Amino acid sequence: GAVVSQHPSRVICKSGTSVKIECRSLDFQATTMFWYRQFPKKSLMLMATSNEGSKATYEQGVEKDKFLINHASLTLSTLTVTSAHPEDSSFYICSAREAGGTVIPHEQFFGPGTRLTVL
Amino acid sequence: GESVGLHLPTLSVQEGDNSIINCAYSNSASDYFIWYKQESGKGPQFIIDIRSNMDKRQGQRVTVLLNKTVKHLSLQIAATQPGDSAVYFCAESPGGFKTIFGAGTRLFVKA
Repeated sequence: GAVVSQHPSRVICKSGTSVKIECRSLDFQATTMFWYRQFPKKSLMLMATSNEGSKATYEQGVEKDKFLINHASLTLSTLTVTSAHPEDSSFYICSAREAGGTVIPHEQFFGPGTRLTVL
Repeated sequence: GESVGLHLPTLSVQEGDNSIINCAYSNSASDYFIWYKQESGKGPQFIIDIRSNMDKRQGQRVTVLLNKTVKHLSLQIAATQPGDSAVYFCAESPGGFKTIFGAGTRLFVKA
């Protein structure tokens, strides 16, 4: 149980285009999902907290107009990188928290990540 | 601001030996501390966690130690195996909500 998937796993796009990354909780409902960014050989950096049915909360320094987040249902959150540039190339990872049931407050289930390359 | 860091960026151990990965943190208000394992090209995998009111917790082949006096966290892996080779991140969770990751240590297990 507690599986999180991401789609696509890998994407290459041209500079100036927009890319949408999906994060799905497959066997549980997630009121909260988190989006992280990871550069090669670096740690995960929290970008934003995605709440079902409301606006995402962005971490300091993350451009909300650049990284659009939509949490339209209890099993799906999307991250859209708008007008992508080579510096947006990175590994994007989502995680999800189960709605109301976990006894471990911090417990998150991570997706496998999406490798974005902007040419 | 909040930060979690590691003393050693890489660690190389012989198969069968014990591994110790260390981490320093700065936010005294964190409620939980967590260790994650990340293999190349994959998302983080939960290993073990410890609540701030504890100083030691054991799992299967792993032990986490928390020293709040010096704000130090460590992960001990017993009888390290080749499958343990990965990057290990410590993380903290203030209020048990969002998770802040440390810099990571790459563990190499030599056969």
